[in-house]
Amino acid sequence: EAQVTQNPRYLITVTGKKLTVTCSQNMNHEYMSWYRQDPGLGLRQIYYSMNVEVTDKGDVPEGYKVSRKEKRNFPLILESPSPNQTSLYFCASSYRRDKLNNEQFFGPGTRLTVL
Amino acid sequence: AQSVAQPEDQVNVAEGNPLTVKCTYSVSGNPYLFWYVQYPNRGLQFLLKYITGDNLVKGSYGFEAEFNKSQTSFHLKKPSALVSDSALYFCAVRDTAAGTASKLTFGTGTRLQVTL
Repeated sequence: EAQVTQNPRYLITVTGKKLTVTCSQNMNHEYMSWYRQDPGLGLRQIYYSMNVEVTDKGDVPEGYKVSRKEKRNFPLILESPSPNQTSLYFCASSYRRDKLNNEQFFGPGTRLTVL
Repeated sequence: AQSVAQPEDQVNVAEGNPLTVKCTYSVSGNPYLFWYVQYPNRGLQFLLKYITGDNLVKGSYGFEAEFNKSQTSFHLKKPSALVSDSALYFCAVRDTAAGTASKLTFGTGTRLQVTL
């Protein structure tokens, strides 16, 4: 089944404790992206990757890191989480980035709470 | 800068009645427009998109959307709502004028509540 998976689905942590949220897709998509969803703000892009070893900042990259060492994986890293990073996070992927009309496929989401 | 607005936080409709979820956009060039739906505890699912051509676009689950360039709108519609349509709906836009640097910008979402 074609899908985007994220782990963990739920995470409660404390300020300053490094964490990684994994994202994997099995559709051989070139483009992958991370979003955060907050009430009243919709989805905002954190980072995106157009291909292996190619990543770039989205609209709200502060406090986050990403890497793209393999085509299928795009982990989101919070080196020192803070309470304002409490949010619902989505990973998404799509075919070639330059095909602007491609729809994105989303993972199930990771609900992160930073105490 | 591109933007998209969903003016209604929530839309309430009775089952069997037609529904409309509104979306307006602002871009420099031509828009690529998308609708996504989010069911509780799930990720977003693609519903339909407008790229070019016919202004009326048909998508999944009986939904359709009408592109109106003069009003810069892309409203989502369904002739007869079902209780199972209750979900959070997001409109999104991409500005073709930005080329490969184009981002996908989402609206804030509209919660659709369909009641018996």
